[in-house]
Amino acid sequence: AQTVTQSQPEMSVQEAETVTLSCTYDTSESNYYLFWYKQPPSRQMILVIRQEAYKQQNATENRFSVNFQKAAKSFSLKISDSQLGDTAMYFCAFFSNNAGNMLTFGGGTRLMVKP
Amino acid sequence: DAGVIQSPRHEVTEMGQEVTLRCKPISGHDYLFWYRQTMMRGLELLIYFNNNVPIDDSGMPEDRFSAKMPNASFSTLKIQPSEPRDSAVYFCASSPIGTLTEAFFGQGTRLTVV
Repeated sequence: AQTVTQSQPEMSVQEAETVTLSCTYDTSESNYYLFWYKQPPSRQMILVIRQEAYKQQNATENRFSVNFQKAAKSFSLKISDSQLGDTAMYFCAFFSNNAGNMLTFGGGTRLMVKP
Repeated sequence: DAGVIQSPRHEVTEMGQEVTLRCKPISGHDYLFWYRQTMMRGLELLIYFNNNVPIDDSGMPEDRFSAKMPNASFSTLKIQPSEPRDSAVYFCASSPIGTLTEAFFGQGTRLTVV
């Protein structure tokens, strides 16, 4: 079974600064996908960024980037130039076609961006 | 606590049949959410409840979908009649009082409509 762990229940950052959210996972699979989802107060789950395990290059989406360390099974999210609208819950998630086609989520990290 | 419990884990049904998905939230949590997850659209919020009352059902795709929460420890999501495009993984989640609080997800129900 896959497990996803987010060790930081809460974090805060000053507007315009950079913050990194941690995520580790455990799996015996070699091919899989990793995601970061954002859940703002609207409760929608918004896909922030995804990473295919077979790709060595770290995914980047504008101000969001990941540090994917496959051997260490680590998948951290870096948010640069933090904005007030980044305030939300962030969930790390794992997906594998061989794991029942289901997403496995971490417990979430609550990020507060302060003005 | 055992966490959010969903049943069944997997459901295969024929088009036109009624499907009922079940969820037991974490005791003491006042919010309950139903999400649908597909690889094409990611996670979509279908509906959420606060103290057993539906607050926002704007994500429910159409009248074939309905959700109820008869008490604080049980919720259902029903699809009648089901269609192949309803095939997805459906997640239930619960969270305690508050706005930016943790949401705990169930393991999901994988629905296949053939």
